[in-house]
Amino acid sequence: GAVVSQHPSRVICKSGTSVKIECRSLDFQATTMFWYRQFPKQSLMLMATSNEGSKATYEQGVEKDKFLINHASLTLSTLTVTSAHPEDSSFYICSAREAPGREYFGAGTRLSVL
Amino acid sequence: AQTVTQSQPEMSVQEAETVTLSCTYDTSENNYYLFWYKQPPSRQMILVIRQEAYKQQNATENRFSVNFQKAAKSFSLKISDSQLGDTAMYFCAFMKHDAGNMLTFGGGTRLMVKP
Repeated sequence: GAVVSQHPSRVICKSGTSVKIECRSLDFQATTMFWYRQFPKQSLMLMATSNEGSKATYEQGVEKDKFLINHASLTLSTLTVTSAHPEDSSFYICSAREAPGREYFGAGTRLSVL
Repeated sequence: AQTVTQSQPEMSVQEAETVTLSCTYDTSENNYYLFWYKQPPSRQMILVIRQEAYKQQNATENRFSVNFQKAAKSFSLKISDSQLGDTAMYFCAFMKHDAGNMLTFGGGTRLMVKP
């Protein structure tokens, strides 16, 4: 099956710093990628939809200035958490869509902000 | 807006037995996809099975099969011959048929397979 690589898998940072998470589709081109946040024992919450070459579409309640998304190519999307604070600590998951109905997920990034 | 409901927060099953996970959804769409995803302790989301709404035949993937009842808006997952490796969170998800649409997830069911 198609592979989506997400890095880093774990990051610990100090409050006020910025963290970048990369999501790559390794063997297919993805015109659309998605970023999710997952709290412990809860479902995935969509943060934003990222389309190659255009601005991301953010879900209601998600701060676009805090969570910067760039989809520079058909195989790479990045999520930058700017000026991270402890409340941003969470599990972030990306997915890449190869075709309608065929979406593949990265392994996730656990962010801990001290 | 679409909603997906999984009414069983937790379930358990003995190894080698069969278990069914429930999922209902609400939509006014006619063309859509339904999915079951597995999230083991590693937290990697894995696609278990996919169903296209226009197909009447229930999808199957080895030990996994679904009971898709379009009129009732029900999409249950049956796991046969349960294995210890099936222990995971299971999420039901809905997606409208068009290319740019997002997945809508249910709240999840935690399945424990006991030896």
